[in-house]
Amino acid sequence: QKEVEQNSGPLSVPEGAIASLNCTYSDRGSQSFFWYRQYSGKSPELIMFIYSNGDKEDGRFTAQLNKASQYVSLLIRDSQPSDSATYLCAVNLGMTTGTASKLTFGTGTRLQVTL
Amino acid sequence: DGGITQSPKYLFRKEGQNVTLSCEQNLNHDAMYWYRQDPGQGLRLIYYSQIVNDFQKGDIAEGYSVSREKKESFPLTVTSAQKNPTAFYLCASGGGGETQYFGPGTRLLVL
Repeated sequence: QKEVEQNSGPLSVPEGAIASLNCTYSDRGSQSFFWYRQYSGKSPELIMFIYSNGDKEDGRFTAQLNKASQYVSLLIRDSQPSDSATYLCAVNLGMTTGTASKLTFGTGTRLQVTL
Repeated sequence: DGGITQSPKYLFRKEGQNVTLSCEQNLNHDAMYWYRQDPGQGLRLIYYSQIVNDFQKGDIAEGYSVSREKKESFPLTVTSAQKNPTAFYLCASGGGGETQYFGPGTRLLVL
């Protein structure tokens, strides 16, 4: 079983719709969760992080965390063509040492927002 | 401008050659990381460093080496022992929390 799993997609949503991206993780001790967006040929950029159960909203983005079920989701409201990218889920599987944190990344979900 | 820079953007390696990828940050971050990304795969951790003159192996350190002589710099050397070096190499840094920020990456190709 992979430690962090994402559906590779592509997930296709029409412009203006809500895109829902999901990620499951294996370690119940995981404490922190991150969503990165990666455009083709570019490096990942941080969208959001979440530590506590429940929802965290930032503009059109909402991260949802359910530690009991071991999943974290990213909702994108009013999806735009510029949101078309690969979204990477990253989890700190409880392996923080000193100032460094070891993140484990999923393989990413490719989102396509259609006109 | 604050940020992370990586150079070169593209790098070509010949058989048996060692090559060094540069990573510099001016964010005053203590922690720095090197990842490798292959098509269809997630990022895999090569090495990381919490502080100057200290670094730890990640999940795929074989065939790679690093140094951390300055807080701002964390170069990665891909040695001839790395038999499949073609990949997108990403450097990241973090300021003490768990969030990591990435540089623009270096694409390494084998001639």
